[in-house]
Amino acid sequence: KAGVTQTPRYLIKTRGQQVTLSCSPISGHRSVSWYQQTPGQGLQFLFEYFSETQRNKGNFPGRFSGRQFSNSRSEMNVSTLELGDSALYLCASSSLTPNTGELFFGEGSRLTVL
Amino acid sequence: GENVEQHPSTLSVQEGDSAVIKCTYSDSASNYFPWYKQELGKGPQLIIDIRSNVGEKKDQRIAVTLNKTAKHFSLHITETQPEDSAVYFCAVGAGSYQLTFGKGTKLSVIP
Repeated sequence: KAGVTQTPRYLIKTRGQQVTLSCSPISGHRSVSWYQQTPGQGLQFLFEYFSETQRNKGNFPGRFSGRQFSNSRSEMNVSTLELGDSALYLCASSSLTPNTGELFFGEGSRLTVL
Repeated sequence: GENVEQHPSTLSVQEGDSAVIKCTYSDSASNYFPWYKQELGKGPQLIIDIRSNVGEKKDQRIAVTLNKTAKHFSLHITETQPEDSAVYFCAVGAGSYQLTFGKGTKLSVIP
């Protein structure tokens, strides 16, 4: 079974630009979550989608947005990039059964903002 | 919101020794306590988890203990091996897929 696939793996942007990151969950998984990982703040929850609906959102500004498609694939977008947005963005998928809890993470998209 | 403290931030042990990492949390409604291992250049991988109705869980060399009264839980790795070297994260959940993570422990196993 293929794991969670994130693209692109690495990207460099400049301040003020926007970026879109993509995530393909494990086949059959309908929940997709996004986390930001930085050396200073660690892993922080961005948002979670289930059946194309955002169920939870973390404490991030409105510049961070996401969506999920009918095939469960998800994208997240960051607009008006700031230097502090440099981070590893991790996508995780979970199975249909609620509250089983296990998150399967992808290898992440490493964003560098110059 | 939930607050998770993880200690120590770095841990060095000799191969074959045991390693213990501890986490405390603040929200008494939390009911799911997973541990993740992250190797360089990879995403976190679940290694063991425990739920609030269980006090201890073992999986070969790895065990997790939970004390809900004191709001803390621990990861125990016995007979450590060089391949156990990685960053370990504890996390806490409360009925959703939104987890709050600790800041991580860098474990180094010295051959």
